[in-house]
Amino acid sequence: AQKVTQAQTEISVVEKEDVTLDCVYETRDTTYYLFWYKQPPSGELVFLIRRNSFDEQNEISGRYSWNFQKSTSSFNFTITASQVVDSAVYFCALSDTPQVRGSARQLTFGSGTQLTVLP
Amino acid sequence: KAGVTQTPRYLIKTRGQQVTLSCSPISGHRSVSWYQQTPGQGLQFLFEYFSETQRNKGNFPGRFSGRQFSNSRSEMNVSTLELGDSALYLCASSPEQGARSNEQFFGPGTRLTVL
Repeated sequence: AQKVTQAQTEISVVEKEDVTLDCVYETRDTTYYLFWYKQPPSGELVFLIRRNSFDEQNEISGRYSWNFQKSTSSFNFTITASQVVDSAVYFCALSDTPQVRGSARQLTFGSGTQLTVLP
Repeated sequence: KAGVTQTPRYLIKTRGQQVTLSCSPISGHRSVSWYQQTPGQGLQFLFEYFSETQRNKGNFPGRFSGRQFSNSRSEMNVSTLELGDSALYLCASSPEQGARSNEQFFGPGTRLTVL
C-alpha cells in the first residue's frame, strides 16, 4: 500500500525567510512518481513538480527547490525568500504503476501542509 | 489550451437528495479522474474513466458513481446524499500518452454542501 506523510500540519514564517516542507512516502513499486501541488484558497490544485523514481537529481526552479532522496524515501520542498503569495496548502503526492497500461496513475496524497507567510 | 473546467462551482443540497457534477477535460485528454477532499479524510481518489469506461475505483460506497461521454466529458453522481458528503470534488484529466501521460491536471473543483 502506498502512503504519503506530511508531518507538518501548519507552518508560519515571516516574509523573506526560507521554509522547507517535508514529505515522506512509502511504496513497494520500483517505478513511481512524486508530485508537489499547491492549493490556494480558491481550491484548485496547481501542479509544481513531478519527479520519477529513477531521477534523484535535485531541482531548482526560481525560488523553489526539491530534494529527492530515495534512501530516506523523502521528497522535500524548499521555498527560498518566501513571499506572502506563497501562502497556501501544499500537498505531496505519489503515484504508482497503473494496473492498466496507459491509464492515469492514481494519486495518493499526503494530508497537506498549510503554509502562512506573514508580511 | 483551456484547462479543466468543472460545473457548478458551488452547490447546496439537502440530505437524501442526489447531485450530478460535471467535468470537461483538457482538449485531447481522454482520462478523467475524480477526487474528494474533506477536512477529515483529505484528498481521496474516487474513480477514473477512460474512453467511456471506468478503469479504476477508490474505496467509496455505491452511492458514488460516474460516467464518461464520447467527447471525454465526465459526470459524477452522488445519490442519497449524507452530511458527510460535503466536500470539494476535484476532477483531473490526463493525456493518454506522451511525456506527461503520468500527470494529472486539476480543475477548480465543485464545493458541495449537504444540509
